[in-house]
Amino acid sequence: DVKVTQSSRYLVKRTGEKVFLECVQDMDHENMFWYRQDPGLGLRLIYFSYDVKMKEKGDIPEGYSVSREKKERFSLILESASTNQTSMYLCASSQGNLNTEAFFGQGTRLTVV
Amino acid sequence: QKEVEQNSGPLSVPEGAIASLNCTYSDRVSQSFFWYRQYSGKSPELIMSIYSNGDKEDGRFTAQLNKASQYVSLLIRDSQPSDSATYLCAVRRGGSYIPTFGRGTSLIVHP
Repeated sequence: DVKVTQSSRYLVKRTGEKVFLECVQDMDHENMFWYRQDPGLGLRLIYFSYDVKMKEKGDIPEGYSVSREKKERFSLILESASTNQTSMYLCASSQGNLNTEAFFGQGTRLTVV
Repeated sequence: QKEVEQNSGPLSVPEGAIASLNCTYSDRVSQSFFWYRQYSGKSPELIMSIYSNGDKEDGRFTAQLNKASQYVSLLIRDSQPSDSATYLCAVRRGGSYIPTFGRGTSLIVHP
């Protein structure tokens, strides 16, 4: 089974802190994604990576950056956390061919106070 | 313009009934379609994928795809209270690796 593991299930950070959310997948998937999920807004793509060191902005990249130095690991960075970044963050991965599904990690509930 | 549309619900059905969940999409070059189930406070888990027109059955679940009308649906037969969750439709356009998600339909199966 595919396993996507996010480093924290719950996280509380202060406004202005730099926050790192880590995601690791164990199935050698080429693609990795970071989404945030908010009530009434659904899943929104923050960033996508299709290979090591390669990234594309999603729908809402402002205030975020990402790092993919190794194939299995995709990190989301909040440069200066703000209260409007309080959300559920979901990492996902998928194989590099087109007819495959994305698998999700367990999610990180981030609260910025 | 929302690319993937779902009725937010809640859709309430009695135990044992058929639950029908619908999704429409706007991009005609969409090629891959997925249904995910998400329990409250949990992450989405894949139920089914479908890539060609017609029906695809897996146990109590049937996915139906109609590319000409740009809709995909999920039928859940013999609904159980444990099926109560939010169901997310995801669509991927041809040539893209990125799935776009609808906002989900909340399903409640009452005993």
